[in-house]
Amino acid sequence: SQTIHQWPATLVQPVGSPLSLECTVEGTSNPNLYWYRQAAGRGLQLLFYSVGIGQISSEVPQNLSASRPQDRQFILSSKKLLLSDSGFYLCAWSLKDHGQYNEQFFGPGTRLTVL
Amino acid sequence: AQKVTQAQTEISVVEKEDVTLDCVYETRDTTYYLFWYKQPPSGELVFLIRRNSFDEQNEISGRYSWNFQKSTSSFNFTITASQVVDSAVYFCALSEARRASSASKIIFGSGTRLSIRP
Repeated sequence: SQTIHQWPATLVQPVGSPLSLECTVEGTSNPNLYWYRQAAGRGLQLLFYSVGIGQISSEVPQNLSASRPQDRQFILSSKKLLLSDSGFYLCAWSLKDHGQYNEQFFGPGTRLTVL
Repeated sequence: AQKVTQAQTEISVVEKEDVTLDCVYETRDTTYYLFWYKQPPSGELVFLIRRNSFDEQNEISGRYSWNFQKSTSSFNFTITASQVVDSAVYFCALSEARRASSASKIIFGSGTRLSIRP
């Protein structure tokens, strides 16, 4: 069965510091991968998605970047964090087959607080 | 443009009551998918159900049931005999049909926070 891991689970960082959040998927090959942010009490905002190694699509202009160095690894980064980067970051994966399998499966999330 | 509206921001009911969470969607696609996800206090989103636009059959899974009506662009979720463990934020979502190898971009509603009181 497939599992998705995210770390760290929680993170407190000062403004201006760098960020690296990691997501890995097990039990599947060549998945589509996604990064979402959820602000407190709000819905989910898609930040990035990737259909393959080195292929990153950005949904919103922001202070963040994403990379996919390996098939099942997705990394969210920032060179200098802003207060507005605080939130709950969720990684998700989906199968690449079209047709019926369109749902995404989410990791446990990383709660980031920027002070 | 695609849009999902969950007009109920918060709902609070007493345990064992039935509760329906409303979801209305907008899309110009003729083929699309609808989802419900549950987000318990731990934060992880749990996939509950997927429905494609060609399948309007209602679905029941234990105490959960879903009513999909294309005529009103709604995909409502009912919990029968609610329990405290059902307390969570529930998200309705919509995605377009896609080609193989492309990403499934899901549009989420703003969520409904459901509180079940003992």
